[in-house]
Amino acid sequence: DAGVTQSPTHLIKTRGQHVTLRCSPISGHKSVSWYQQVLGQGPQFIFQYYEKEERGRGNFPDRFSARQFPNYSSELNVNALLLGDSALYLCASSLDDGGADTQYFGPGTRLTVL
Amino acid sequence: KNEVEQSPQNLTAQEGEFITINCSYSVGISALHWLQQHPGGGIVSLFMLSSGKKKHGRLIATINIQEKHSSLHITASHPRDSAVYICAVGTYKYIFGTGTRLKVLA
Repeated sequence: DAGVTQSPTHLIKTRGQHVTLRCSPISGHKSVSWYQQVLGQGPQFIFQYYEKEERGRGNFPDRFSARQFPNYSSELNVNALLLGDSALYLCASSLDDGGADTQYFGPGTRLTVL
Repeated sequence: KNEVEQSPQNLTAQEGEFITINCSYSVGISALHWLQQHPGGGIVSLFMLSSGKKKHGRLIATINIQEKHSSLHITASHPRDSAVYICAVGTYKYIFGTGTRLKVLA
């Protein structure tokens, strides 16, 4: 079985642009979480989606949005990019919503904002 | 103060040494996770713990719920163990520790 996949792997954008990152969870997993990891720091939680509904949101501005599709894949959108949005964006999937469930991480998308 | 603290931040060991990484947390949890992150960025889940001790190969993880403390041990360390080790608590929303950068020298 394929693990969590993310696309693209790398992306370079300029300030003010918009970006869409994509994530496909492990087959059968219904929950997708997004994290931002700035260089040298630990990941920070952005969103969780379960059954196409937002179940959790971290302390990120409204420029960040996400959605989950009927096949449980997910997109993370960031508008009006800032230099500080440069980071590794990680997607993780798990079977269920909440509970003591292991999250499985994708390889990440490295976003550079110039 | 972070809700999840790890020590040490950096660790250099000689091949074959026994390694311990510690994690303390201040929030109530249902599970604690140990993760491994390699330089390329990918994160691999090593253990999920809610009580006691788990072992997988040369890796051992323990947790003391009353003391809100967990340890990750690596026996007979090897250069391929070089990575950042992160503890995280939570369910759908992980709260990550600060990470321990481990380098094992041949």
